[in-house]
Amino acid sequence: NAGVTQTPKFRVLKTGQSMTLLCAQDMNHEYMYWYRQDPGMGLRLIHYSVGEGTTAKGEVPDGYNVSRLKKQNFLLGLESAAPSQTSVYFCASRTPGQGAQPQHFGDGTRLSIL
Amino acid sequence: AQSVTQPDIHITVSEGASLELRCNYSYGATPYLFWYVQSPGQGLQLLLKYFSGDTLVQGIKGFEAEFKRSQSSFNLRKPSVHWSDAAEYFCAGALGDSSYKLIFGSGTRLLVRP
Repeated sequence: NAGVTQTPKFRVLKTGQSMTLLCAQDMNHEYMYWYRQDPGMGLRLIHYSVGEGTTAKGEVPDGYNVSRLKKQNFLLGLESAAPSQTSVYFCASRTPGQGAQPQHFGDGTRLSIL
Repeated sequence: AQSVTQPDIHITVSEGASLELRCNYSYGATPYLFWYVQSPGQGLQLLLKYFSGDTLVQGIKGFEAEFKRSQSSFNLRKPSVHWSDAAEYFCAGALGDSSYKLIFGSGTRLLVRP
């Protein structure tokens, strides 16, 4: 059972470089999410998508862009990486409907910006 | 403002002792509530969820949580802690009209003394 798969698992970037984080889910979930996790701050929502071709901003969207061209994939892009974006990034997905449906998480991508 | 609060940053218990992790929410109606666990270097795993019905919910790994509307709380409990329970625990809520999004507490790190 693959569930939610994130690639890469680790990455080091220099300030100003760009990169894309990939999230893939095989559970046919409509909703997908990108979070960042920083010490003492829990998880904060960056962007989310409620279906193929749709995206929306979360709590901390600045400096990030996303795309949902296929239902099973949700991409997070950093156009010009900054040290403040050093974090652990988590992708999650869930079925639609009311909030009782839990989110399923990937194992995270650890990103360092030098 | 809608929020989920975990007042304890760290908790240390001895192996075999009982455990209670606190979670409070701020919302006018009954939210959907979740507890997740995160082991080092891993993603978040769902322990249990509450959305209606019995206020005492059972989860995996011997955990349970009790929803108390009068106290706006959803505390996680375990009668006897094992060393493998050492991890970070997150309470999260899906609140109101934005119930497709989760609001996370800042987490409680559990340390287990041998």
